[in-house]
Amino acid sequence: GQNIDQPTEMTATEGAIVQINCTYQTSGFNGLFWYQQHAGEAPTFLSYNVLDGLEEKGRFSSFLSRSKGYSYLLLKELQMKDSASYLCAVRPIKAAGNKLTFGGGTRVLVKP
Amino acid sequence: NAGVMQNPRHLVRRRGQEARLRCSPMKGHSHVYWYRQLPEEGLKFMVYLQKENIIDESGMPKERFSAEFPKEGPSILRIQQVVRGDSAAYFCASIPTLSQETQYFGPGTRLLVL
Repeated sequence: GQNIDQPTEMTATEGAIVQINCTYQTSGFNGLFWYQQHAGEAPTFLSYNVLDGLEEKGRFSSFLSRSKGYSYLLLKELQMKDSASYLCAVRPIKAAGNKLTFGGGTRVLVKP
Repeated sequence: NAGVMQNPRHLVRRRGQEARLRCSPMKGHSHVYWYRQLPEEGLKFMVYLQKENIIDESGMPKERFSAEFPKEGPSILRIQQVVRGDSAAYFCASIPTLSQETQYFGPGTRLLVL
């Protein structure tokens, strides 16, 4: 079976750093994705990790440890527009055609 | 280069009616995925299609739901005899080939069943 856990909600202050953790237990692993989703909008791609380590893209970084079944998304220099849900998704290796299994999402609220 | 298009963006149906949701993938993309997002929940995979073929429908409810992706035209997700529990946002995503990791999502169709 597939199980992906992430916190439901986090609050942070503008300019600060927030780390969103994601743990997964899946029947195989072929990559982990982070998406951002503003209320009422489509998920937009943020990052992809398939090997252990840190991937940095501007203010956003994503880390993966396959042995621990663990990833985090790091958001630096938070801006008000970063208030959104952040979705962790895993692509199981045995899945046909790259379908994704999503966690429940973490709603991040950035306060002034 | 237009992104993934979905229509309608909002759809209201009464219990027992049919809902048809359309998804036009990005140009050159021949793989389409449908996901459902219930209020306050994450996305759940429903079905994966290539042109004229259903590849994986393991996430589709066994009854009332069907999907197609014809040779010409958009992919269609069809829900017959809708019930209140079908109220959700339905997203489609597309990729050009299986070697492409990233799925690009459309804006979704928000279905409300009265």
